Amino acid sequence: DTGVSQNPRHKITKRGQNVTFRCDPISEHNRLYWYRQTLGQGPEFLTYFQNEAQLEKSRLLSDRFSAERPKGSFSTLEIQRTEQGDSAMYLCASSSEREAYNEQFFGPGTRLTVL
Amino acid sequence: AQKVTQAQTEISVVEKEDVTLDCVYETRDTTYYLFWYKQPPSGELVFLIRRNSFDEQNEISGRYSWNFQKSTSSFNFTITASQVVDSAVYFCALSEPLYNFNKFYFGSGTKLNVKP
Repeated sequence: DTGVSQNPRHKITKRGQNVTFRCDPISEHNRLYWYRQTLGQGPEFLTYFQNEAQLEKSRLLSDRFSAERPKGSFSTLEIQRTEQGDSAMYLCASSSEREAYNEQFFGPGTRLTVL
Repeated sequence: AQKVTQAQTEISVVEKEDVTLDCVYETRDTTYYLFWYKQPPSGELVFLIRRNSFDEQNEISGRYSWNFQKSTSSFNFTITASQVVDSAVYFCALSEPLYNFNKFYFGSGTKLNVKP
């Protein structure tokens, strides 16, 4: 399967703990996005990478959140000192700069529950 | 301001009925792209259709068709002869490639229930 993969699929943690999620994009895609989706809502943009450069961060991404994409391949999203409000589905998507429409392919998501 | 509005929160139809999902968008850009994605209970967003701002031609792809009208900023999606497997949440999305790194703005989704 050459789609976008995300790990773990589910994460339950206690408030105050740190968590890290991983996203492996489609191999030839140089663009990578993180979105957050809460219950009953559409995904909201968090951050964008073009190759290894993080070019945009949403105001939703507080200083407790950090994302990296070393070497322009996989990406990690870390949340420090988790809060109950961080409970959501975290979605990763990738796309190719060569694709005219920038059609984004989404991974299955990581569902985070903060107790 | 919400860039993408899906006013229908939930729709229920009986199998084989046609159903139209509404989407209204807002943008100041002349170049933009519109998409529809499906999110089944498993959670993964699945791409369905796309359209760019310069092409208002409406098309049919299998049981799917869409109606793009720039005059009313609408991009409606129709499923013909609905099936139980079409039950999912459907999202309309907008991207503005020139100034916003192609990030997607999603609507809040329309939950479609297709009953046998």
